Amino acid sequence: DAGVTQSPTHLIKTRGQHVTLRCSPISGHKSVSWYQQVLGQGPQFIFQYYEKEERGRGNFPDRFSARQFPNYSSELNVNALLLGDSALYLCASSLLVTGSGNQPQHFGDGTRLSIL
Amino acid sequence: SQKIEQNSEALNIQEGKTATLTCNYTNYSPAYLQWYRQDPGRGPVFLLLIRENEKEKRKERLKVTFDTTLKQSLFHITASQPADSATYLCVFFYGQNFVFGPGTRLSVLP
Repeated sequence: DAGVTQSPTHLIKTRGQHVTLRCSPISGHKSVSWYQQVLGQGPQFIFQYYEKEERGRGNFPDRFSARQFPNYSSELNVNALLLGDSALYLCASSLLVTGSGNQPQHFGDGTRLSIL
Repeated sequence: SQKIEQNSEALNIQEGKTATLTCNYTNYSPAYLQWYRQDPGRGPVFLLLIRENEKEKRKERLKVTFDTTLKQSLFHITASQPADSATYLCVFFYGQNFVFGPGTRLSVLP
């Protein structure tokens, strides 16, 4: 079975631009979460979606938005890009919504976003 | 705010020895705590999950303990191998967020 797939793998943008990152979860998984990982740090939670509804949001500005489609794939959108948005963006899927931390998460290998 | 600390940024050990990684958390009492492995340029890979009422959990050469009094989890790799070299992350769930620690980079030297 295919794991979590993310596209593109690498992306270069300039300040002020907009970016859309895509994620396909493991087949049968209904929950998708997004994370930002800056070099040398642990992932920081951005969003969790379950059954197309937002179930959690981390401490990120409104420039960050996401959505989940009927086939459970997801998009992360970032507007008005800043230099500080340069990071590895990770997508993770789980079978159910992670309401208490009792669900293991399955991560993709991320999209490396560089802002010039 | 809820915070996770991991014992050190980097840990070097000799092949065959036991590696012990520490995860301390503050300002919260999680019901579950998870450990992940991350290789350079890859996403984290789930290793183990332990509940607050479990003292210890094992999987092959891996062992995790969870001490809710000390607010600490220990992650052990016995008979370590160079292939175990990676960054290890602990994480718990708070509110609607997963809170990851900064990770410990383990190097197993042949």
